[in-house]
Amino acid sequence: DADVTQTPRNRITKTGKRIMLECSQTKGHDRMYWYRQDPGLGLRLIYYSFDVKDINKGEISDGYSVSRQAQAKFSLSLESAIPNQTALYFCATSRKDLDGYTFGSGTRLTVV
Amino acid sequence: GDSVTQMEGPVTLSEEAFLTINCTYTATGYPSLFWYVQYPGEGLQLLLKATKADDKGSNKGFEATYRKETTSFHLEKGSVQVSDSAVYFCALHSSGSARQLTFGSGTQLTVLP
Repeated sequence: DADVTQTPRNRITKTGKRIMLECSQTKGHDRMYWYRQDPGLGLRLIYYSFDVKDINKGEISDGYSVSRQAQAKFSLSLESAIPNQTALYFCATSRKDLDGYTFGSGTRLTVV
Repeated sequence: GDSVTQMEGPVTLSEEAFLTINCTYTATGYPSLFWYVQYPGEGLQLLLKATKADDKGSNKGFEATYRKETTSFHLEKGSVQVSDSAVYFCALHSSGSARQLTFGSGTQLTVLP
């Protein structure tokens, strides 16, 4: 099994729908992150969590919310999806500040 | 705020050619620097890192040296292979800011046989 698992891998949804992307990890890391990737823009941070009771907004949190259900689970929700939220979404984990991140394989979301 | 600037791609090379992908940064304090690689259809993987000035990170034939005087962390490889075709991201972690990675925009590398 992968260290960081994202579900679903691909999703097409309609404008205005609520959608949840899920992330689970077996690394035992405290820190979890949600990024979105757009062509030419690299990765931009949406939300991050350093433990179950610690949730922080990132660079582009508007239109998104998150839930840290357990140390191993961190889900991202789009309350009312819009077309410019079409992107590739990545979950990542890390152990501490200077460690590299471990990324999931991504969820490709299309909002029509 | 923190930022990372990478050379724009795409970059196309022939097998066994020399590779350089430029990366410069702006950051508060003394950041740690990273290179990540993304193969088609996959998530990002850590390629190498350097945590202080003059450190050299290396892995799989790739190298990058942390140059504080030029605020750079250029990625190099002496002889690329077709299997190196991927997107490469430079990133930094600055303890003086919000404690997470800031990424560059990525550079697409294609190596032709």
